[in-house]
Amino acid sequence: EAGVAQSPRYKIIEKRQSVAFWCNPISGHATLYWYQQILGQGPKLLIQFQNNGVVDDSQLPKDRFSAERLKGVDSTLKIQPAKLEDSAVYLCASSSYMNTEAFFGQGTRLTVV
Amino acid sequence: GENVEQHPSTLSVQEGDSAVIKCTYSDSASNYFPWYKQELGKRPQLIIDIRSNVGEKKDQRIAVTLNKTAKHFSLHITETQPEDSAVYFCAASYQNTGFQKLVFGTGTRLLVSP
Repeated sequence: EAGVAQSPRYKIIEKRQSVAFWCNPISGHATLYWYQQILGQGPKLLIQFQNNGVVDDSQLPKDRFSAERLKGVDSTLKIQPAKLEDSAVYLCASSSYMNTEAFFGQGTRLTVV
Repeated sequence: GENVEQHPSTLSVQEGDSAVIKCTYSDSASNYFPWYKQELGKRPQLIIDIRSNVGEKKDQRIAVTLNKTAKHFSLHITETQPEDSAVYFCAASYQNTGFQKLVFGTGTRLLVSP
């Protein structure tokens, strides 16, 4: 079974620039999560999709972050404009149904300078 | 919403010793508690999980216990080995408008010295 794919692996941008991350979940997984993991901290949920609908985006800074999951498969997370405090690893995860294992991608390490 | 606290933040043990990591959660509706291991620069990977209808679960050298009354759960690693060195995250999953939401603890950095 192929895992969760994310790209790019690393990204360095200047503050106020924009950036986009891509995630391809495991085939057939209806639930897709985007987490932000700041160095030394646990993953913090940004947004959760069920198929192509958003079920939780309560911790997404909507003034600068946006995400979509077209056709209920791939997803993109965008930051515009980026701030220094956005430096983190952005993890995408997917799961097949409630109460089961969430599989994580390798993550995208974002550095904002 | 759910809040998960995890202790200790760092744990150093000698090879062969046992290690215990503890977590507490706030939402009594939570019913699924996974533990993830994250090695340096790698993705978090599930190592064991427990559901609210079970008090204890064991898989070789690792075990997890759950006390629903006290709302805490713990990870136990016996006969630790250097390759157990990693950051361990607990999580709690609860219903939110019909969907599950995984909330993670802050992590425990485990260092096993030979």
